[in-house]
Amino acid sequence: DAEITQSPRHKITETGRQVTLACHQTWNHNNMFWYRQDLGHGLRLIHYSYGVHDTNKGEVSDGYSVSRSNTEDLPLTLESAASSQTSVYFCASSERGGGNEQFFGPGTRLTVL
Amino acid sequence: AQKVTQAQTEISVVEKEDVTLDCVYETRDTTYYLFWYKQPPSGELVFLIRRNSFDEQNEISGRYSWNFQKSTSSFNFTITASQVVDSAVYFCALSETFSGGYNKLIFGAGTRLAVHP
Repeated sequence: DAEITQSPRHKITETGRQVTLACHQTWNHNNMFWYRQDLGHGLRLIHYSYGVHDTNKGEVSDGYSVSRSNTEDLPLTLESAASSQTSVYFCASSERGGGNEQFFGPGTRLTVL
Repeated sequence: AQKVTQAQTEISVVEKEDVTLDCVYETRDTTYYLFWYKQPPSGELVFLIRRNSFDEQNEISGRYSWNFQKSTSSFNFTITASQVVDSAVYFCALSETFSGGYNKLIFGAGTRLAVHP
């Protein structure tokens, strides 16, 4: 069955370190997204991609980067982790088209000490 | 700018009560989509329903029903005869729609529903 996976599921790191969160989908979806979930804010969009080599900034992109070298993967990199980036991170993917639902990964809980 | 407001932060009910979760949205688009997702205590996000801006028919699926009203920019979700398994955080979301298949989602802050036995 097609799926979307994230790794690691839990990560503890220190301020200033570079961290990469992996996202892999086997749906063959063109569209991929990264969100962070914080209490009181719901899910906020960090970066998104509508195809290979396409990346775009979301509403909370500062301190994060992504690259899309193939259809299946969209890794999220925190260049220099900050305590404010402690959060739960969700990756999602969807087919093209505004009406298509996004399928979410299980989430990665990141703690920055 | 697009915005989704879920004014109810937390709702607590007793099993078998009916409960309505409110969702109000703002958009200047004439074509848009609205979604509801459920996040149970296990943490995953589960898609529940999608509605496009041209379809104002109410939707019923078992104990779940959705009331979409463009006149009030609302897309409310009702659970009839609630059960403990309905306990979750529920998110309403709006899809910005552009040509080329773009579908960014804007989420509300979520409503935490607790159903007590």
